[in-house]
Amino acid sequence: GDSVTQMEGPVTLSEEAFLTINCTYTATGYPSLFWYVQYPGEGLQLLLKATKADDKGSNKGFEATYRKETTSFHLEKGSVQVSDSAVYFCALASGAGSYQLTFGKGTKLSVIP
Amino acid sequence: NAGVTQTPKFQVLKTGQSMTLQCAQDMNHNSMYWYRQDPGMGLRLIYYSASEGTTDKGEVPNGYNVSRLNKREFSLRLESAAPSQTSVYFCASSEAISRLRQETQYFGPGTRLLVL
Repeated sequence: GDSVTQMEGPVTLSEEAFLTINCTYTATGYPSLFWYVQYPGEGLQLLLKATKADDKGSNKGFEATYRKETTSFHLEKGSVQVSDSAVYFCALASGAGSYQLTFGKGTKLSVIP
Repeated sequence: NAGVTQTPKFQVLKTGQSMTLQCAQDMNHNSMYWYRQDPGMGLRLIYYSASEGTTDKGEVPNGYNVSRLNKREFSLRLESAAPSQTSVYFCASSEAISRLRQETQYFGPGTRLLVL
């Protein structure tokens, strides 16, 4: 079945540091890939998405590229801010015809001043 | 435009009690979903409704029932609550016109449920 594996947290970075959160997936067909962010006490919000191989999703300084050859969708940001502190979830929607999103377990990011 | 709303925000139940979690969306989306979020487990799908009048089981449906009351509303019912159902419950909706077209899911703020 479909699965998403993302790097274990928590991750603690200083402000303006470079961020990478790794995400790899297993899926049938040609899935769409997503990064969601959850700020403390809130629901999940879509951060970015990519629907086909080599697509790059970007939003708020975050980027992720859909790499079919390595089945990866790593999240990056060049300079994190304290306000980026949140839990980040990688997810996929299988191209095999399912309505379901399959989520990774989440990576908690804390950014310190 | 409120997006996805959920009630209540927080609830404490005793084992064996029943309750219904309410969810509504004002985006005219076809599909709606119920997830539970547990520490270290990510989000797991309980039930979903691809369109008005249909519901299907997700990954962890045992102990739950759902009703798609109309296009806007999708409720989750716990008939006899158990401590293992202590969790944060999220409702989501998406356009999801067909199985071949996956659209972004929009999430509500969540309901924190504690079963004693």
